[in-house]
Amino acid sequence: GQQLNQSPQSMFIQEGEDVSMNCTSSSIFNTWLWYKQDPGEGPVLLIALYKAGELTSNGRLTAQFGITRKDSFLNISASIPSDVGIYFCAGHGNAGGTSYGKLTFGQGTILTVHP
Amino acid sequence: KAGVTQTPRYLIKTRGQQVTLSCSPISGHRSVSWYQQTPGQGLQFLFEYFSETQRNKGNFPGRFSGRQFSNSRSEMNVSTLELGDSALYLCASRNLNNSPLHFGNGTRLTVT
Repeated sequence: GQQLNQSPQSMFIQEGEDVSMNCTSSSIFNTWLWYKQDPGEGPVLLIALYKAGELTSNGRLTAQFGITRKDSFLNISASIPSDVGIYFCAGHGNAGGTSYGKLTFGQGTILTVHP
Repeated sequence: KAGVTQTPRYLIKTRGQQVTLSCSPISGHRSVSWYQQTPGQGLQFLFEYFSETQRNKGNFPGRFSGRQFSNSRSEMNVSTLELGDSALYLCASRNLNNSPLHFGNGTRLTVT
């Protein structure tokens, strides 16, 4: 089946630094999504990408859908303490409407921000 | 607009018992998906329902089942619980036409 490799597994950064994480897939994906999960809560959608090459921003967050459709990255600029959490990439490779509820998730990147 | 609501938030069961988890999707969302999250396996897809019909199913044993009601609310059931079923069970809903999933805060199930 489809697999996503997300890296890095964890990051320890200083407040104000920029952060970059990425996901690669063994097969083509038609949609890439980035979620953030805080302890005790469910994943919250950050950015959704639907076209190869698409670059989308949400405040200090920027994500891109790779041209090959097998990768995506997420950048966080000028990190702040509330950026702490686990970031997940997710996607699906079937363009059919019946599969949009079935996502493949990366293993997550644990982000720690030191004030 | 209220988000995805899952009940209960926490549940403790013993091996061999069964459990039913409930999910109310975002108002207007007709598709509901369920995921299992564990430290070892991460987020794994269980199944997806739309218009009371199962549209897709993940690689879980038949002990895991679900259903959706006419008001789009969904339940999932796990029978003959095993220790390995301890996990955070997440429900997510979406609108149609390639809209992204929105997750609830999950039900934390502990099997002893």
